[in-house]
Amino acid sequence: EAAVTQSPRNKVTVTGGNVTLSCRQTNSHNYMYWYRQDTGHGLRLIHYSYGAGNLQIGDVPDGYKATRTTQEDFFLLLELASPSQTSLYFCASSERGANTGQLYFGEGSKLTVL
Amino acid sequence: QQQVRQSSQSLTVWEGETAILNCSYENSAFDYFPWYQQFPGEGPALLIAIRSVSDKKEDGRFTIFFNKREKNLSLHIKDSQPGDSATYFCAASGGNYQLIWGSGTKLIIKP
Repeated sequence: EAAVTQSPRNKVTVTGGNVTLSCRQTNSHNYMYWYRQDTGHGLRLIHYSYGAGNLQIGDVPDGYKATRTTQEDFFLLLELASPSQTSLYFCASSERGANTGQLYFGEGSKLTVL
Repeated sequence: QQQVRQSSQSLTVWEGETAILNCSYENSAFDYFPWYQQFPGEGPALLIAIRSVSDKKEDGRFTIFFNKREKNLSLHIKDSQPGDSATYFCAASGGNYQLIWGSGTKLIIKP
């Protein structure tokens, strides 16, 4: 079974702070995704990638950068964190695009911006 | 604009009953509809999925009924168990690499 590991699991920062969320998948999936989950909104796609060095913009990219350094590793960067970015963040991977294949999710990273 | 809508934020049924979770969508180009199950403290996991060429998909106690003309679908969970208590997300995709997610239905099974 695909394994997706996120770190940190919990993070508290202040407004204007710098945060990096990390994600590693061990099944050599081509696609990786960053979502945020908020009550009443379901999951919203921030950025995704279909391979090392590739980056695609999702539905809610403002205030976020991402980088796919290897097939396994996908990072989400918040360079000037704001309270509106307080959320539960999920990384996911899939062998094929989300419209045809199963997404495998990590356990989530809870971010609080004070 | 919410393109995928789940009509109930929460649903409570008794153990042994059939739980019915509803979902509707707006974009007639959507052709792939997965349901994901999420337990507290975990990420969502694929439960069952259907493509628009079918009107029913069954997997054990879980069945999707799909109505293309009405642009809605429902997830039926037969013989509900307390272990089925979770949040269920309906999602849809129309050929790009993205899923559009509903806001989720929290299902509580009372023993």
